Amino acid sequence: DAGVIQSPRHEVTEMGQEVTLRCKPISGHDYLFWYRQTMMRGLELLIYFNNNVPIDDSGMPEDRFSAKMPNASFSTLKIQPSEPRDSAVYFCASSTQGWANEKLFFGSGTQLSVL
Amino acid sequence: GENVEQHPSTLSVQEGDSAVIKCTYSDSASNYFPWYKQELGKRPQLIIDIRSNVGEKKDQRIAVTLNKTAKHFSLHITETQPEDSAVYFCAARDGKGLIFGKGTKLSVKP
Repeated sequence: DAGVIQSPRHEVTEMGQEVTLRCKPISGHDYLFWYRQTMMRGLELLIYFNNNVPIDDSGMPEDRFSAKMPNASFSTLKIQPSEPRDSAVYFCASSTQGWANEKLFFGSGTQLSVL
Repeated sequence: GENVEQHPSTLSVQEGDSAVIKCTYSDSASNYFPWYKQELGKRPQLIIDIRSNVGEKKDQRIAVTLNKTAKHFSLHITETQPEDSAVYFCAARDGKGLIFGKGTKLSVKP
């Protein structure tokens, strides 16, 4: 398995533009998480899905952020409109969350810069 | 919801010395406590974890201890090596998924 795949690796955009980040979880994993990493706030949980259903989106900072998981192999995180304070590394992670198998597998992340 | 505090934020040790990183959590219902290591520019990766029914777990040079009463857990690295230099994150799982501490940047000087 290639692991969790995220795209793009780097995204540079201008304030006000729409940004879409993509994630392909590991096949067979039924949980998918989106995290945002900054120096000031560390790793923040934004939202997570179980079997493609959003379970908790209380970490999504504003209505400008939205996430979808149309099927078991694909998820998107969208920011519209983007702002400079959204600049961060966005990680997607997946897991099976069984009792003895709760390891999170992270993707390589998307480095987002909003100018 | 869960809140995880991690200390220190930076830690510098000489090669061969031990390093200890401490975390506290707020939700007594949390039952799973992993530690992740993130090297510069890389993704976080699990290095060790412990569950609430265990007080201590060891894997070679790495050990984790958990005190449920005090709601704190610690990572111990013995005989540190330069390749241990990284950012280490503790985490606790409540009903909302893994909540991470803000990380400890460990530097091991040769």
